[in-house]
Amino acid sequence: GDSVTQMEGPVTLSEEAFLTINCTYTATGYPSLFWYVQYPGEGLQLLLKATKADDKGSNKGFEATYRKETTSFHLEKGSVQVSDSAVYFCALSDRGNTGKLIFGQGTTLQVKP
Amino acid sequence: NAGVMQNPRHLVRRRGQEARLRCSPVKGHSHVYWYRQLPEEGLKFMVYLQKENIIDESGMPKERFSAEFPKEGPSILRIQQVVRGDSAAYFCASSTNSIGDYGYTFGSGTRLTVV
Repeated sequence: GDSVTQMEGPVTLSEEAFLTINCTYTATGYPSLFWYVQYPGEGLQLLLKATKADDKGSNKGFEATYRKETTSFHLEKGSVQVSDSAVYFCALSDRGNTGKLIFGQGTTLQVKP
Repeated sequence: NAGVMQNPRHLVRRRGQEARLRCSPVKGHSHVYWYRQLPEEGLKFMVYLQKENIIDESGMPKERFSAEFPKEGPSILRIQQVVRGDSAAYFCASSTNSIGDYGYTFGSGTRLTVV
């Protein structure tokens, strides 16, 4: 079945460092890909998405490119801030089927001043 | 412009009691999804509903769990005879369709603790 694998955390960075969180997927068909962020005690917020190969999603300085050839959707940010500390989830949805999301296990990011 | 509203935010139940979790989707959204997040884990799909219909319940335990999304009112996730293993955060998400092109809006979740 479809699945998503994220790099294990926690990831600890200093402020203004470069961030990469790896995400790879296995899917039949052509899924949409998402990154969600979860702050402590809260629900998930959509960070960015891409719906087809070579699309680049971007928001708040974060970027991810849908790479069909490597089945990847790595999250990057050039300069992280303390306020970026959260748990990040990569997910795919089976477009046009039920649309349910399949999540990776999440990666905790901690940014220190 | 309210988002997805879930209540209660926190729910404590003794073993054997019933838990009822409510989800009001974004206005105009007719697709509702329920997910469960166990401690230190990602979210797992439970059930997908449209108004008055269960479309996919492949992620929901066969016993004790049920879900509905009536014509009027919120979607309800019901857990009968709760056990300690049901302790988790339950999230509801809504969308305009099942394509997902516009993403899914999540509620803040209900954190169920079974004592």
